Amino acid sequence: NAGVTQTPKFQVLKTGQSMTLQCAQDMNHNSMYWYRQDPGMGLRLIYYSASEGTTDKGEVPNGYNVSRLNKREFSLRLESAAPSQTSVYFCASSEEGRWGQGAYEQYFGPGTRLTVT
Amino acid sequence: GQQVMQIPQYQHVQEGEDFTTYCNSSTTLSNIQWYKQRPGGHPVFLIQLVKSGEVKKQKRLTFQFGEAKKNSSLHITATQTTDVGTYFCAGAAGGTSYGKLTFGQGTILTVHP
Repeated sequence: NAGVTQTPKFQVLKTGQSMTLQCAQDMNHNSMYWYRQDPGMGLRLIYYSASEGTTDKGEVPNGYNVSRLNKREFSLRLESAAPSQTSVYFCASSEEGRWGQGAYEQYFGPGTRLTVT
Repeated sequence: GQQVMQIPQYQHVQEGEDFTTYCNSSTTLSNIQWYKQRPGGHPVFLIQLVKSGEVKKQKRLTFQFGEAKKNSSLHITATQTTDVGTYFCAGAAGGTSYGKLTFGQGTILTVHP
């Protein structure tokens, strides 16, 4: 099993360009997440999908859109990239949490290192 | 919204010294998780704590969950160079959503041989 895979691994964009980050998992997980990681800021949730067919905003959703294509795939789109979106992006998946019951462990992909100039 | 604060941000130790990182939440947590991220890598799950006052051990690592379920700590005894990396706590607030985690800022551990 590959676990969580992400493409591309590295990307350089010019301001205003668009791109889609791809994520896929083969663990039959219902929930998937997109995080960004910046120095000193930890991991901040951009969007998540609790189950197939649903998506919700996280802590820092502005400038991003997501698509839960099917149970395996969850993509993140930058419509008009800005230098402030230079970051490392991680996709993760987990069992689906139950309301009020905390969270399951998350499995992370290898990350996409994005630079916007 | 929920905030999870983690200290210290950096810790430099000599190999063999102990290391502790602390995590504090602004709200009561349903459970807390700990992750380790090696340099250039991705976060990897270490452990989950659920019960008030819970203590769990993994070899040289000891994890504690506070009585009020608002704080947690990770203690490493006799650090080794393989312990190098960033350690994150991540809390889940039980009454708010389907399993979202709020991550602390992380503690970057450097171990000098």
